[in-house]
Amino acid sequence: EAQVTQNPRYLITVTGKKLTVTCSQNMNHEYMSWYRQDPGLGLRQIYYSMNVEVTDKGDVPEGYKVSRKEKRNFPLILESPSPNQTSLYFCASSPSGGNTIYFGEGSWLTVV
Amino acid sequence: GDSVTQMEGPVTLSEEAFLTINCTYTATGYPSLFWYVQYPGEGLQLLLKATKADDKGSNKGFEATYRKETTSFHLEKGSVQVSDSAVYFCALFPAGGTSYGKLTFGQGTILTVHP
Repeated sequence: EAQVTQNPRYLITVTGKKLTVTCSQNMNHEYMSWYRQDPGLGLRQIYYSMNVEVTDKGDVPEGYKVSRKEKRNFPLILESPSPNQTSLYFCASSPSGGNTIYFGEGSWLTVV
Repeated sequence: GDSVTQMEGPVTLSEEAFLTINCTYTATGYPSLFWYVQYPGEGLQLLLKATKADDKGSNKGFEATYRKETTSFHLEKGSVQVSDSAVYFCALFPAGGTSYGKLTFGQGTILTVHP
């Protein structure tokens, strides 16, 4: 089954404690990206990757890092989380061309 | 840069009413256009898409037509059900250029359908 898998789905953490949200896709897609969803702001792109070892900033990259060492994985790293990073995070993947984009189920992150 | 503007909500309808959620976009060339739906407590599901001008996307009774002349992709359904209550997002994926790779969403429209 084609899918995008995120982990963890739910996490409560403390300010400053590094965390990683993993994202994996089984469709051999070139394109992957991360979004955050906040009330009243919709979904905003954090980072995206057009292929292995190629990453670019989206609209709200501050406080986040990503890596794309292999095609299937695109982890999101919060080196020093802060409360304003409390949000719902989505990972997505697509074949090149972007005519079909698949989303993971989302990761609820709370930073206290 | 690219942008997507959706009609402001929330939208409240009675069951079997006609639904329209407006979506207009700003982009160069011919982007791909999408509608996503998010049910309460769940992730994003692709509802329908269109990848070129005059294409009509349809799914589950919902339809949207890619109108290049008006840069619009309005979502419609002839008869809504209570189970259609959700948040609907219009989105754009550029065809190329400097913004290629950047999926842009509208702010979302909350739809509530009453029995």
